[in-house]
Amino acid sequence: DTEVTQTPKHLVMGMTNKKSLKCEQHMGHRAMYWYKQKAKKPPELMFVYSYEKLSINESVPSRFSPECPNSSLLNLHLHALQPEDSALYLCASSQDRGQLSYNEQFFGPGTRLTVL
Amino acid sequence: AQSVTQLGSHVSVSEGALVLLRCNYSSSVPPYLFWYVQYPNQGLQLLLKYTTGATLVKGINGFEAEFKKSETSFHLTKPSAHMSDAAEYFCAVSDLAGKLIFGQGTTLQVKP
Repeated sequence: DTEVTQTPKHLVMGMTNKKSLKCEQHMGHRAMYWYKQKAKKPPELMFVYSYEKLSINESVPSRFSPECPNSSLLNLHLHALQPEDSALYLCASSQDRGQLSYNEQFFGPGTRLTVL
Repeated sequence: AQSVTQLGSHVSVSEGALVLLRCNYSSSVPPYLFWYVQYPNQGLQLLLKYTTGATLVKGINGFEAEFKKSETSFHLTKPSAHMSDAAEYFCAVSDLAGKLIFGQGTTLQVKP
């Protein structure tokens, strides 16, 4: 299985809602990533988990809260978002994440988030 | 610090014509380089990668790229464009911590 899955595919939420995005991979990868992508822009890294521990937080606002329950799952909890947070949220995984490592990342299809 | 520059935010070719998407990188160490493609409303798919070894890298869907250290380039080519190649293409370099640094992307339009 060489696939990263993400649910839901689309999500519409109000600014007072709490919702979660889910990502799953069964490739035995030990690094998982959350990206945010605005239209016609490259993905922006948000968080990196390595061996189920948060290793990088790219100064993301606290209204985004990541969670890695196990090596195959990655969640992104959303609370009190703003309309400017509307974007495509991509999850990715890779075999390992280390200095000078070969870092082929496999991406999921994304969740299209709209904040009203 | 590593960085990537993609020359041309929009490239238009006719079906059957050569595709050339340009990517230049900056890296203080031997780079790991990648090309990803993104079709509308989809995630990114790896086209090809350069880590070490052969400088001409072949990827999926008939694409290939040549790593030229002297020119710090990693341009993507395909001999004959298909309508299905229309998409957004991103060049990326892996930094020392293993993070991907993306270029701004190039939109490829294929005209019939």
